[in-house]
Amino acid sequence: AQTVTQSQPEMSVQEAETVTLSCTYDTSENNYYLFWYKQPPSRQMILVIRQEAYKQQNATENRFSVNFQKAAKSFSLKISDSQLGDTAMYFCAFNPAETSGSRLTFGEGTQLTVNP
Amino acid sequence: DGGITQSPKYLFRKEGQNVTLSCEQNLNHDAMYWYRQDPGQGLRLIYYSQIVNDFQKGDIAEGYSVSREKKESFPLTVTSAQKNPTAFYLCASSSASSYNEQFFGPGTRLTVL
Repeated sequence: AQTVTQSQPEMSVQEAETVTLSCTYDTSENNYYLFWYKQPPSRQMILVIRQEAYKQQNATENRFSVNFQKAAKSFSLKISDSQLGDTAMYFCAFNPAETSGSRLTFGEGTQLTVNP
Repeated sequence: DGGITQSPKYLFRKEGQNVTLSCEQNLNHDAMYWYRQDPGQGLRLIYYSQIVNDFQKGDIAEGYSVSREKKESFPLTVTSAQKNPTAFYLCASSSASSYNEQFFGPGTRLTVL
């Protein structure tokens, strides 16, 4: 069974600064997907970024980037130029790639607050 | 527009009553999921379905039931056996052709009076 751990229940950052959210996971799978989801106060779950384990290059989406360390089983999210709208709960999630329709394993989440 | 809809947005139930939450998707996804979220906490998987007419229990299936008679629909029934049903419920769907990424609906807030 896979586990996902987010060790930072809460974090805060000043607007325009950079913040990094941590995520570690445990799996015996070799091929898998990792995701960061954002849940703002509206509670709508929104995909922020996706990483495929077989790709060595770290994924980036505008101000969001990841530091994927496969050997260390680490998948951190970096948010650059933080904006007030980035205030949300962030969830790290794992999915084994080989099985269609397989379940996501979520971490417990990190509440990020961006201060003006 | 393609997406997932959940209804109603807010639902109130008296103790001892069953209630059904609706989830519909027009993304042509094979797999669908139901999650429960309590305040300040993560998502817990209730049930999931990988294909029509088949579904599996998740981590907290007791007191819940589902059906999957159509590809686009995956309703969740919260039965009177669920001891603490007040929570936020999220439905999701996914496709292997989209990296198993799960797309989420807007959620239903269930309150037991």
